[in-house]
Amino acid sequence: EDKVVQSPLSLVVHEGDTVTLNCSYEVTNFRSLLWYKQEKKAPTFLFMLTSSGIEKKSGRLSSILDKKELFSILNITATQTGDSAIYLCEGYGGATNKLIFGTGTLLAVQP
Amino acid sequence: DTGVSQNPRHKITKRGQNVTFRCDPISEHNRLYWYRQTLGQGPEFLTYFQNEAQLEKSRLLSDRFSAERPKGSFSTLEIQRTEQGDSAMYLCASSPRGQNTEAFFGQGTRLTVV
Repeated sequence: EDKVVQSPLSLVVHEGDTVTLNCSYEVTNFRSLLWYKQEKKAPTFLFMLTSSGIEKKSGRLSSILDKKELFSILNITATQTGDSAIYLCEGYGGATNKLIFGTGTLLAVQP
Repeated sequence: DTGVSQNPRHKITKRGQNVTFRCDPISEHNRLYWYRQTLGQGPEFLTYFQNEAQLEKSRLLSDRFSAERPKGSFSTLEIQRTEQGDSAMYLCASSPRGQNTEAFFGQGTRLTVV
């Protein structure tokens, strides 16, 4: 069965710390891996990764995909309290090209 | 188009009652997904439509749950004989077919079963 696994499940850091969130996947007919940030309501899109080894970067956030080892990481540098959220990893693929989410990583950034 | 719209935003119901939620996707998107999310957890897949065809339904979904998308536009999710364990946020998302792109989420319907 297709699945996406994220770790850690939760993380507490202090402002200024750097964090790395992990996502491993087993998705048949894999097409892409996406990261979302979810605060209080709907998830908002961060990155889409389709090729191995190419880093996507946006401000203090960056992400990379390893299609050989079937995982991705999301890095956040110089964390701020506004980074506190659930970070979701999604694998896109499967037999019917659906969205397969991991359980998320709950990040709490303390001042 | 202002994005994916879900109604109602909040629903409180008594155990045993039926509830129905509506999702209006972005107009040119032919894929529509329903997810359930509880506090601190990632979205749990419920079901998925491509146009009006329901392509997949979670095996975890009991027969009290049903979803429709009769004309390939808006969708409804009905829960019959609600239980307290059904209390959750129900999220709808849509995406265009044939494009490797992100999903666009609605703001969700928060269901509380008392």
